[in-house]
Amino acid sequence: KAGVTQTPRYLIKTRGQQVTLSCSPISGHRSVSWYQQTPGQGLQFLFEYFSETQRNKGNFPGRFSGRQFSNSRSEMNVSTLELGDSALYLCASNLGQGNSPLHFGNGTRLTVT
Amino acid sequence: QKEVEQDPGPLSVPEGAIVSLNCTYSNSAFQYFMWYRQYSRKGPELLMYTYSSGNKEDGRFTAQVDKSSKYISLFIRDSQPSDSATYLCAMPGANNLFFGTGTRLTVIP
Repeated sequence: KAGVTQTPRYLIKTRGQQVTLSCSPISGHRSVSWYQQTPGQGLQFLFEYFSETQRNKGNFPGRFSGRQFSNSRSEMNVSTLELGDSALYLCASNLGQGNSPLHFGNGTRLTVT
Repeated sequence: QKEVEQDPGPLSVPEGAIVSLNCTYSNSAFQYFMWYRQYSRKGPELLMYTYSSGNKEDGRFTAQVDKSSKYISLFIRDSQPSDSATYLCAMPGANNLFFGTGTRLTVIP
C-alpha cells in the first residue's frame, strides 16, 4: 500500500505570497490532518478534515486554510506569507475513527524569504 | 504548561548502549500513548502504540507507561547507528494528537 504522499517536497516563496500544498492519503483513509513542525515549537496541529469537512482546528490564524476532496486528497493554503511561516508542513492520514494512529508523509519544506 | 513535555536532548550514546527516552504529560485523561521515530528529512513514523499502564515490548524496543506519575518511557536495547533519529512521544486528545518536542538521538559506531 502506498504511503502518504506530499507535494512539492521543497518550496521557496517570498513574503506576501501565497502557497498551496498537496497531500494524498493512504488508500482507504478518510481523515487527513496537517501539522506544522519547527525546531522551537515542535509539531503543532493545524486542522483535520474528514469526509470533506473540517472536523477540528488548531490555534493558527485564518491565513492558514485547507480543504479535502471527495477522493480524500487534501490541500492546505497559506496566504500572505510571513517569515515565521517557514517550517516543515506535515500531512497525516488515518481511518478517522477512534484512536487509529496517524501515518505521516515526508512533508513539504517551506522557506519564506 | 504544555500538554506533553519531552527533553530535547541531544542524546549521544555508543553502539550497544541501552537508551532511555522519556516524556511527562499533564492531562490525566490521556489514555493512549505513542512513540514516533523521525529520520532526517523524513516524516514521523509510528514506532510503538500502547494503551494501558505497564510495559510493551517489540524487538529491541520497550514502551513503558506509568499513569499514576503521568510518565512514559521508551527503552532501546542494543542500540544501533540506524537508531539515530529524533524520537517523539504523542498522545491523542479530544481533537488532535499532542506531541512532545522530540529527543534527538545519535548512536555512535
